[in-house]
Amino acid sequence: GAVVSQHPSRVICKSGTSVKIECRSLDFQATTMFWYRQFPKQSLMLMATSNEGSKATYEQGVEKDKFLINHASLTLSTLTVTSAHPEDSSFYICSAPGQGYDEQFFGPGTRLTVL
Amino acid sequence: AQSVTQLGSHVSVSEGALVLLRCNYSSSVPPYLFWYVQYPNQGLQLLLKYTTGATLVKGINGFEAEFKKSETSFHLTKPSAHMSDAAEYFCAVGDSGNTPLVFGKGTRLSVIA
Repeated sequence: GAVVSQHPSRVICKSGTSVKIECRSLDFQATTMFWYRQFPKQSLMLMATSNEGSKATYEQGVEKDKFLINHASLTLSTLTVTSAHPEDSSFYICSAPGQGYDEQFFGPGTRLTVL
Repeated sequence: AQSVTQLGSHVSVSEGALVLLRCNYSSSVPPYLFWYVQYPNQGLQLLLKYTTGATLVKGINGFEAEFKKSETSFHLTKPSAHMSDAAEYFCAVGDSGNTPLVFGKGTRLSVIA
């Protein structure tokens, strides 16, 4: 099946700094990717839809100026958490639809810890 | 709007016993339904999916689920639990594979030796 990678898998940063998370579709092209956030022992919540060549679509309550999304190519979407604070600590997971459009493939996730 | 309800945040079974994880969904369009498994600090692994066609879907590791439209359910079963099945299980619904998924809150499965 198709593979989606994320980098880094874990990141620890100081409060006030920015962190970039990459999501790559390794063996297929993805014009759309989705970013989810998962708090400890909770479910995944959609943050935004990343669209190649256009602006991302954010879910209600997600600050677009804080969570910057760039979908620069057909295989790469990045999520930048700007001026991170401890409450941004979470597990961030991306996904991309497969070529058949009947399934999404999820990345392994990025654990962000803000001190 | 779509939604998913997973009954039971925690299910505990004995090794070798039947596993039954419940999922009910709400959707205004024919749903695409998925079950994912998540091990600690890892991403999601697809167990099985229903898109169209046969309502009894077989997945990996001996899991299966049945789509029951009249009951708006998509319960996950496995005849005999194994210790390695202990994990978090998520049921999800979508319009297709190309739209964001709505996840249930998850069910943590514990397997007792």
